[in-house]
Amino acid sequence: DAKTTQPPSMDCAEGRAANLPCNHSTISGNEYVYWYRQIHSQGPQYIIHGLKNNETNEMASLIITEDRKSSTLILPHATLRDTAVYYCILNTGTASKLTFGTGTRLQVTL
Amino acid sequence: NAGVTQTPKFRVLKTGQSMTLLCAQDMNHEYMYWYRQDPGMGLRLIHYSVGEGTTAKGEVPDGYNVSRLKKQNFLLGLESAAPSQTSVYFCASSYPGRRSNQPQHFGDGTRLSIL
Repeated sequence: DAKTTQPPSMDCAEGRAANLPCNHSTISGNEYVYWYRQIHSQGPQYIIHGLKNNETNEMASLIITEDRKSSTLILPHATLRDTAVYYCILNTGTASKLTFGTGTRLQVTL
Repeated sequence: NAGVTQTPKFRVLKTGQSMTLLCAQDMNHEYMYWYRQDPGMGLRLIHYSVGEGTTAKGEVPDGYNVSRLKKQNFLLGLESAAPSQTSVYFCASSYPGRRSNQPQHFGDGTRLSIL
């Protein structure tokens, strides 16, 4: 049973911000929100994670709503190399197991 | 620093054959995982290990066995390969979750075809 809901696909123009939404209305208090991406057939790549505060690193920003029922991954200046499937995942870290859904396929275009 | 290395990268087997996939990590991670990914789907956990000498079943363990004799290595075995096991296999490793939690680091995958 999926714990997160993401749109199946999104388009973004190169140079613009890509905002990828994720709904997780049944999130537990000890669950972190993780984002990974998978470029073509490569192994998933970790992007960012957070618990309740907004987070930013060199790759992206993560905005988590105050009630923690949804979040948004922001790629501030998308490039063609950001074309990938993006996965929003909840994880407690107890045994660090990740449950992948089908993610959002982001297509960055010229 | 190679990260997570999977061997082999590609393999074709006949039904009934056996083989072992090797995963090696050089980050001193405690946790290691094996996933499979079928076309158009997300990754599904096969088995995982929280430390040397310990293994546990994941979401889809049937038809696979694993061993973690050394901390840096996690082996996935197929005793009698079946066409349904045709898939891309990914290995991952991580530190145990702490206050700030820890992400998983993935290998580049092994593409396995069973004829």
